[in-house]
Amino acid sequence: EAGVAQSPRYKIIEKRQSVAFWCNPISGHATLYWYQQILGQGPKLLIQFQNNGVVDDSQLPKDRFSAERLKGVDSTLKIQPAKLEDSAVYLCASSLDPGLYEQYFGPGTRLTVT
Amino acid sequence: GDSVTQMEGPVTLSEEAFLTINCTYTATGYPSLFWYVQYPGEGLQLLLKATKADDKGSNKGFEATYRKETTSFHLEKGSVQVSDSAVYFCALSDRGSTLGRLYFGRGTQLTVWP
Repeated sequence: EAGVAQSPRYKIIEKRQSVAFWCNPISGHATLYWYQQILGQGPKLLIQFQNNGVVDDSQLPKDRFSAERLKGVDSTLKIQPAKLEDSAVYLCASSLDPGLYEQYFGPGTRLTVT
Repeated sequence: GDSVTQMEGPVTLSEEAFLTINCTYTATGYPSLFWYVQYPGEGLQLLLKATKADDKGSNKGFEATYRKETTSFHLEKGSVQVSDSAVYFCALSDRGSTLGRLYFGRGTQLTVWP
C-alpha cells in the first residue's frame, strides 16, 4: 500500500514570505497529524484532524499557521508570514483510529527560512 | 504534563557491539510507550511498542521493556549492524485519551561503524 505522501520535500523562503505544504495520507486513514520537528528536537504536534474536523490545535501558532483538510483526505499546512524560528521539518502522519493504531509518517518537508 | 527524556547522543558503536539507549517518561495517566526510528531521508517508522507494565516490545533484534516502577523504556540490541545507523525516538501516548497524541523525546543519533 502507498505510504503518506508529502510535497515539497525541501523549501527555502525568506522571512515574512508565505509557504504551503501538502500531505496525502494513506487511503482510508481518518486521522491526520501535522508535526513540527526543529533540528535536535523530537517532533511536536501542531494539529490533528479526525476526518475533516480539527480535534486538537492547541499547539498551533494560529496567528501565522493555518491548516485545512478538505473532504477528509488531503491536507494543507500554511505559514504566513514565516519567521526564522519556523525553520524545521514538517511531518505529516496518519492513522486508522487515534489512540488504537500506529501512526504512519511521511518523509517530511524541510523548510529553511532565511 | 506528559513528557519523555532520552539519553543524549550521538552514540557511536562498532558493528556487533551491544546497544542501550535510555528513555524515561513522565505521565499523568497510564501511557503506551513506543520507539520510532528515522533512517536518513525517510519518515519515522514504528520500531516497537508496549502498552502496559512489564510488556516487552521487540522487532528486528531490538527490545524494550515497560518498567512502571522506574518509569523507563530503554532500547537494547545485542549486536548492532551498520544498517542500524539512524535516529531513534522514544515516545508516549496517553491511553486514557482518545486523541492518540504522541509525545516524543529529542532523539538519539546512532552511528555504527564496520
